[in-house]
Amino acid sequence: NAGVTQTPKFRVLKTGQSMTLLCAQDMNHEYMYWYRQDPGMGLRLIHYSVGEGTTAKGEVPDGYNVSRLKKQNFLLGLESAAPSQTSVYFCASTYEMGLSETQYFGPGTRLLVL
Amino acid sequence: GENVEQHPSTLSVQEGDSAVIKCTYSDSASNYFPWYKQELGKGPQLIIDIRSNVGEKKDQRIAVTLNKTAKHFSLHITETQPEDSAVYFCAASRDSSYKLIFGSGTRLLVRP
Repeated sequence: NAGVTQTPKFRVLKTGQSMTLLCAQDMNHEYMYWYRQDPGMGLRLIHYSVGEGTTAKGEVPDGYNVSRLKKQNFLLGLESAAPSQTSVYFCASTYEMGLSETQYFGPGTRLLVL
Repeated sequence: GENVEQHPSTLSVQEGDSAVIKCTYSDSASNYFPWYKQELGKGPQLIIDIRSNVGEKKDQRIAVTLNKTAKHFSLHITETQPEDSAVYFCAASRDSSYKLIFGSGTRLLVRP
């Protein structure tokens, strides 16, 4: 099993450009999450999904959109990138909160917005 | 909503010494408290967790304690080794919340 994979690993954008970050998991997990990690602020939840076709807002959803068209994939979109979105983005998945809450994280995507 | 505070932000210890990281949470309904370790350039990985019906849990050199009354929980690492150097995150959640709320992280450095 590859676990949780993220594409791309690193990206540089100019302000106003758009991009999509892809997260894929091969563990048949129901729940998937997108976090951003900034120095001194830990991991902040952007959006999450409790199953195929569902999405919900986390702590810091503004400026991002997500889609979960397939159970194994969770996409994070930036429609118009801003320098404040420079961060490291982590995807995570878990089987089901309340039963087995271990979240498995991907290796991260480092995004720089100029 | 839930808020998790973590201290200290950095911790430096001599190899062989113990390290303690503390977290406090605000939501009294929280009942699940995991700890994650993040090595440089990697995603966080679960190292130990505890539920609110237990006061302490151990796994070899790692232990977690929970004080529900005071709403705080701690990670204890004994006989620290250089490979313990990493960033550690605490988190909290409650049933039906579907999500974890993370602390701000502690950078642990174990000096050889």
